[in-house]
Amino acid sequence: DAGVTQSPTHLIKTRGQQVTLRCSPKSGHDTVSWYQQALGQGPQFIFQYYEEEERQRGNFPDRFSGHQFPNYSSELNVNALLLGDSALYLCASSLTPGTSVGEQFFGPGTRLTVL
Amino acid sequence: DQQVKQNSPSLSVQEGRISILNCDYTNSMFDYFLWYKKYPAEGPTFLISISSIKDKNEDGRFTVFLNKSAKHLSLHIVPSQPGDSAVYFCAASVGSNYQLIWGAGTKLIIKP
Repeated sequence: DAGVTQSPTHLIKTRGQQVTLRCSPKSGHDTVSWYQQALGQGPQFIFQYYEEEERQRGNFPDRFSGHQFPNYSSELNVNALLLGDSALYLCASSLTPGTSVGEQFFGPGTRLTVL
Repeated sequence: DQQVKQNSPSLSVQEGRISILNCDYTNSMFDYFLWYKKYPAEGPTFLISISSIKDKNEDGRFTVFLNKSAKHLSLHIVPSQPGDSAVYFCAASVGSNYQLIWGAGTKLIIKP
């Protein structure tokens, strides 16, 4: 079992550009959540996808959007990048949206640097 | 406004001794608390949780204590082992939903 995988591992972008990050959930999982972890801080919940729809959303602007595909994989898109978007982006998967939050599995993250 | 605070950025403990990691919260609506462990270049892994109806939960070497009146929880690791060296995050939620509020983490170093 490959667990949760994310790509790319690292990414460098310029202010104003757009970026797409990808996540493949653990085998058998159908729910994907995305988190942003700035340096020296804990992760912040961005949103959760289930059945190809956004089910929950944290306090992030509309520049952050996502998508879930029929195979349960997911993308996180960020438009009009700001310096403050530099962070580690974590993806987590779980069996159903009703599963306890402690039963979600995290990927290793994508490190995004905005210059 | 930091609703979940881990005031110790790092902690160093001798192997075999007890490690105590602390976490304070401000939102009295929080009723579910979790601890995660994170190694470098890996995602956080769930360690142990506690709901507000309990004041203690044990899982092997790990015990979490919750003091609701003080809005404080702690994670005890006994005995501490070299493999416990990692960053530990405290997180809280209203109900066991996914909108966790996380602390900034404490880096635990176990000295041989």
